[in-house]
Amino acid sequence: GNSVTQMEGPVTLSEEAFLTINCTYTATGYPSLFWYVQYPGEGLQLLLKATKADDKGSNKGFEATYRKETTSFHLEKGSVQVSDSAVYFCALAPFSGGYNKLIFGAGTRLAVHP
Amino acid sequence: DTEVTQTPKHLVMGMTNKKSLKCEQHMGHRAMYWYKQKAKKPPELMFVYSYEKLSINESVPSRFSPECPNSSLLNLHLHALQPEDSALYLCASSRSDPGSTNTGELFFGEGSRLTVL
Repeated sequence: GNSVTQMEGPVTLSEEAFLTINCTYTATGYPSLFWYVQYPGEGLQLLLKATKADDKGSNKGFEATYRKETTSFHLEKGSVQVSDSAVYFCALAPFSGGYNKLIFGAGTRLAVHP
Repeated sequence: DTEVTQTPKHLVMGMTNKKSLKCEQHMGHRAMYWYKQKAKKPPELMFVYSYEKLSINESVPSRFSPECPNSSLLNLHLHALQPEDSALYLCASSRSDPGSTNTGELFFGEGSRLTVL
């Protein structure tokens, strides 16, 4: 079956610290992988994506590389800001013909302090 | 236009009320979704419509009734809800074609925060 496992939070960092949020997956076939971000009181926004092995998704200073050999898609940022405080969800999308039944990890809450 | 618009943003209702949540997208997507999200949890899939036909119902209680009047609109009708149904309800849409340009991404709205008294 398909599943996503994320590191448990909360993750608390000081501004300008390095961020890593681990994500591993199990899947049949070759799914697309995503990181979504949810700011307090808001819906989900796509942060970045990768559609095949060795692809690197990047956006707003965040990066993640689709590693087939380790079945991982870890999120990294070199220098976090207070405005990055949010919940981050790793997800995979096995295409099911006509729709995408996105499978989410449990989410990791990030709190960045000045 | 890459938005999914949900109304209302906030809704408070009693257990005997009937209300509806609405969702609209104009990206030409033919798959639309309802998710329920409780605090500090990931979204849980409720319903999926593909080409205006209900494709998935994740064993959702009948007090939630989805409707897809056309390819741009998705409604969720609510009746006789319970306080435990209080949550953020998220609508999403996606492409439906199996081509290589379909990356599987879902586009989410801001959500409707529902409180059942």
